Amino acid sequence: QVQLVESGGGVVQPGGSLRLSCVASGFTFSSDGMHWVRQSPGKGLEWVTYIRYDGINKYYADSVKGRFTTSRDNSKNMLYLQMNSLRAEDTAMYYCARYRGQGNCFDYWGQGTLVTVSS
Amino acid sequence: QSALTQPPSVSGSPGQSVTISCTGTSSDVGSYNRVSWYRQPPGTAPKLMIYEVSNRPSGVPDRFSGSKSGNTASLTISGLQAEDEADYYCNSYTNSGTWVFGGGTKLTVL
Repeated sequence: QVQLVESGGGVVQPGGSLRLSCVASGFTFSSDGMHWVRQSPGKGLEWVTYIRYDGINKYYADSVKGRFTTSRDNSKNMLYLQMNSLRAEDTAMYYCARYRGQGNCFDYWGQGTLVTVSS
Repeated sequence: QSALTQPPSVSGSPGQSVTISCTGTSSDVGSYNRVSWYRQPPGTAPKLMIYEVSNRPSGVPDRFSGSKSGNTASLTISGLQAEDEADYYCNSYTNSGTWVFGGGTKLTVL
């Protein structure tokens, strides 16, 4: 079955950096686009970034553009989110999600990893 | 990239029907049938309930249905059950090549 497991969250000071990882299993990772979605405590879902199946095309929300970078290693079934210049408002649970092109939807989600930006 | 507009809360009694609206613009909901809906019980990850406006993934009960008119999409849950209580989010693709979620709606089963 499809599984997505995020890791790398933690507490970081404002201005700091963190790299999140998402390991995928149960499907052909190299064939599917992937997203990162975040949710601040008590708030709604916010789309963060998308990377195409081959890693060539990437799209970002305005709120993270220029600070966050998504990448993938299809040989390792790994998705990454490099987060730089972190701000308090980046505090959130970060989910990776598979994008199902035939359906244009986020069909599988990980359980999330919590990032807290605080001094 | 403004969030799609959803009512903060809706409620209904067991057996009743409720509808959650999701209003966007001609740059997102109005231009594409790439609208999907997600259910998120407290403390858990979101789960796909409806994709491409009105399609149900396997395993989702036919009590859940979706539709769209103009810039507004809707999720209807009929025959409400206690287990339906959760937060619901809509999502749409946009003409900027990005995606946007709604603010979320808390469904309470009375």
